[in-house]
Amino acid sequence: KQEVTQIPAALSVPEGENLVLNCSFTDSAIYNLQWFRQDPGKGLTSLLLIQSSQREQTSGRLNASLDKSSGRSTLYIAASQPGDSATYLCAAGSGNTGKLIFGQGTTLQVKP
Amino acid sequence: DGGITQSPKYLFRKEGQNVTLSCEQNLNHDAMYWYRQDPGQGLRLIYYSQIVNDFQKGDIAEGYSVSREKKESFPLTVTSAQKNPTAFYLCASSIGALGYNEQFFGPGTRLTVL
Repeated sequence: KQEVTQIPAALSVPEGENLVLNCSFTDSAIYNLQWFRQDPGKGLTSLLLIQSSQREQTSGRLNASLDKSSGRSTLYIAASQPGDSATYLCAAGSGNTGKLIFGQGTTLQVKP
Repeated sequence: DGGITQSPKYLFRKEGQNVTLSCEQNLNHDAMYWYRQDPGQGLRLIYYSQIVNDFQKGDIAEGYSVSREKKESFPLTVTSAQKNPTAFYLCASSIGALGYNEQFFGPGTRLTVL
């Protein structure tokens, strides 16, 4: 059974710092790994999708990597800004149903 | 604008009542999903539908029911059999149901039992 874990649960950094969010999964037989952002009381916004055959994806200041052999993905945020404050969720896509298994999220606070 | 809409944004239910949450998408996606989010937890899958007139139970389907009569609509009914329905409900869709398709989410419905 696939389990997804995100550590730490919360993170507070000063503005301008580069940071890394971690995501680990127990079953390496994934189709993809998707990173989302969630603002308080809102739905999820898709940030990056890494297919199982890919090693990384980039969008602006965001870079996500995937290492299936070690069961890990990281989300790198460069030059963090207060507007980056949110909860970041990773989810592993498994099987042929499109089902996503979610981690519990990392809540990020970027202080001005 | 293409996207996923959910209504209502807030919903209050009395004990013993059934309520229905709406989810509509105009992305022409075949697959649709319902997730539940509890405070401090990740999302858990309730039901999913890979195609019109077909749907499957997810990990926590007890106390819920769905229908998929139209491609763009996937309503979720929370029945009185659901013991702890207070949660944030999120609907999602993807172009196909295979595991490599990106999922897109609606804004959510917050359900509170009075």
